[in-house]
Amino acid sequence: EIVMTQSPATLSVSPGERATLSCRASQSVSSNLAWYQQKPGQAPRLLIYGASTRATGIPARFSGSGSGTEFTLTISSLQSEDFAVYYCQQYNNWPRSTFGQGTKLEIK
Amino acid sequence: QVQLVQSGAEVKKPGASVKVSCKASGYTFTSYGISWVRQAPGQGLEWMGWISAYNGNTNYAQKLQGRVTMTTDTSTSTAYMELRSLRSDDTAVYYCARVRYSSGWYGGWGQGTLVTVSS
Repeated sequence: EIVMTQSPATLSVSPGERATLSCRASQSVSSNLAWYQQKPGQAPRLLIYGASTRATGIPARFSGSGSGTEFTLTISSLQSEDFAVYYCQQYNNWPRSTFGQGTKLEIK
Repeated sequence: QVQLVQSGAEVKKPGASVKVSCKASGYTFTSYGISWVRQAPGQGLEWMGWISAYNGNTNYAQKLQGRVTMTTDTSTSTAYMELRSLRSDDTAVYYCARVRYSSGWYGGWGQGTLVTVSS
């Protein structure tokens, strides 16, 4: 099973600043990686797929990069509604999949 | 618009079974698969398995093999997930999610169903 490791577990950032979240795969997943945002009491919301393609309706301040085993989600200028938990997901061996343990983005 | 509407919360005793439904609308049901993902309280997301709504093919997480069964009813555009021999650590919110064949990302999710296992 491919293990996904996210860092840091918690990230404290001020509104308006940039946030950088990392995700590492235990083996190459090519570009078969997605990012999700989850707020309390809600289902996850797709942000990025294919490592760098924004999903429909996702603001341009969200960007994804990376391939192979190292991936990054960047939020260029944090808005109040961006404070949430973020998960990466690999789907390289579709339909099987694994998620990272999540990064909580909190207000500094 | 695409919607996945799940059945309501359940409380079960250890050893019992639970069956959660996920009714799809707003798209051609058989053109997508359905994955099931669960989330224990305060924890991350765990992939449980996938079913093709086209032909019923399934793929389950190894740790759940033998306890989980995923099915679909194309006449009602509904997917089902049954989990048997419930334990306390099966307490979680269970989500269904729509996935395009040969893609892998989940563009649409159900609202979640809380299953509580307690004696």
